[in-house]
Amino acid sequence: DIQMTQSPSTLSASVGDRVTITCRASQSISSWLAWYQQKPGKAPNLLIYKASSLESGVPSRFSGSGSGTEFTLTISSLQPDDFATYYCQQCDSSSPLTFGGGTKVEIK
Amino acid sequence: QVQLQESGPGLVKPSETLSLTCTVSGGSISRNYLNWIRQPAGKGLEWIGRIYSSGSTNYNPSLKSRVTMSVDTSKNQFSLKLSSVTAADTAVYYCARGPSYSDSSGGLFNWFDPWGQGTLVTVSS
Repeated sequence: DIQMTQSPSTLSASVGDRVTITCRASQSISSWLAWYQQKPGKAPNLLIYKASSLESGVPSRFSGSGSGTEFTLTISSLQPDDFATYYCQQCDSSSPLTFGGGTKVEIK
Repeated sequence: QVQLQESGPGLVKPSETLSLTCTVSGGSISRNYLNWIRQPAGKGLEWIGRIYSSGSTNYNPSLKSRVTMSVDTSKNQFSLKLSSVTAADTAVYYCARGPSYSDSSGGLFNWFDPWGQGTLVTVSS
């Protein structure tokens, strides 16, 4: 299986901060990575697919980059609605689809 | 827009079979990958498996021996059965459509959108 490792596991930030979350894959997945946002009691919501493609309706302050084994999710200016847990997911079906352990973005 | 809704018993006894159905509205499930994902309380996400609208399946090897998925295109529904459940199977279970891309080498790439709201299944006697 392809293991996905996210860092940090928890991040404390203030409104207006630039926030970066990292996701590392145990082997190359090219650009086949997705990012999700999950709020308490809710299902995850797709933010980005294919590493950097913004899902329709997702604010442009979210961006994704990377390829191979290292990827980042950046929130350019953190908004109150962005405090949530974020997950990465490797999309290569040659292996079981797997998620990172999550990054909780908390209010500082 | 496409919406998914899980349904099924919220309480299952140990050693019995967990059965859930996902009903899709706002669009046809034809020519779609349809997935089940679960999340134990306070923990991360685990992909259980997927079924294509034609009926072909792929299961997570960690659960493969206990999982069966089926699809009913006439009802726009797909289903999950997980046998011989234990307390470790207690989780919120999500269904999700799986947008996909196939490359020229035969590679298949899946992500999940949209998701159902999730249903909590507790395994307890």
